[in-house]
Amino acid sequence: RKEVEQDPGPFNVPEGATVAFNCTYSNSASQSFFWYRQDCRKEPKLLMSVYSSGNEDGRFTAQLNRASQYISLLIRDSKLSDSATYLCVVTTDSWGKLQFGAGTQVVVTP
Amino acid sequence: EADIYQTPRYLVIGTGKKITLECSQTMGHDKMYWYQQDPGMELHLIHYSYGVNSTEKGDLSSESTVSRIRTEHFPLTLESARPSHTSQYLCASSEMLAGTYEQYFGPGTRLTVT
Repeated sequence: RKEVEQDPGPFNVPEGATVAFNCTYSNSASQSFFWYRQDCRKEPKLLMSVYSSGNEDGRFTAQLNRASQYISLLIRDSKLSDSATYLCVVTTDSWGKLQFGAGTQVVVTP
Repeated sequence: EADIYQTPRYLVIGTGKKITLECSQTMGHDKMYWYQQDPGMELHLIHYSYGVNSTEKGDLSSESTVSRIRTEHFPLTLESARPSHTSQYLCASSEMLAGTYEQYFGPGTRLTVT
């Protein structure tokens, strides 16, 4: 079983709509959680960290559910530029090693 | 913007050649990483380093080797390239910020072995 699992999508979203997706992690000792964004054939870039109480950054909202071992990302008022693959990332040690999910592809259409 | 660089960006090379992929960062980060990623697939950690003279193998077995003689430099070497090594190789470094680690990625090297 993979340590971090994501629905690969694609999620086809009309411009202006809201899209949300989850990722599950298997290690209950996981310590830190992130969403990274990766554009086609580019390197991943940090989108946001995910905090226990949930957090918001503009149109993006991240939630963590430790009991059920999943994190979520919600994108409001989708823009064409939000089209990308969103990587769920988890750390299980204190040394900065990250476990990446395979990514969820989001395609925002006009 | 993160200051982490990789060269070459693209490399096409014949089977059996020795290659070194360069990665440098100017942020003074102790921790550095190499990932391998095939198109449309997930990243796999192949090597990491916690500091100078420290190197460890990652989760995915790789025939490549790495060295960390200087903090800013973390090259990856393939002694004898094979077509199965064709992939994208991404270098990253990290720092602890507010109790958690954020990784900064270089632009990657796209390797094709013919």
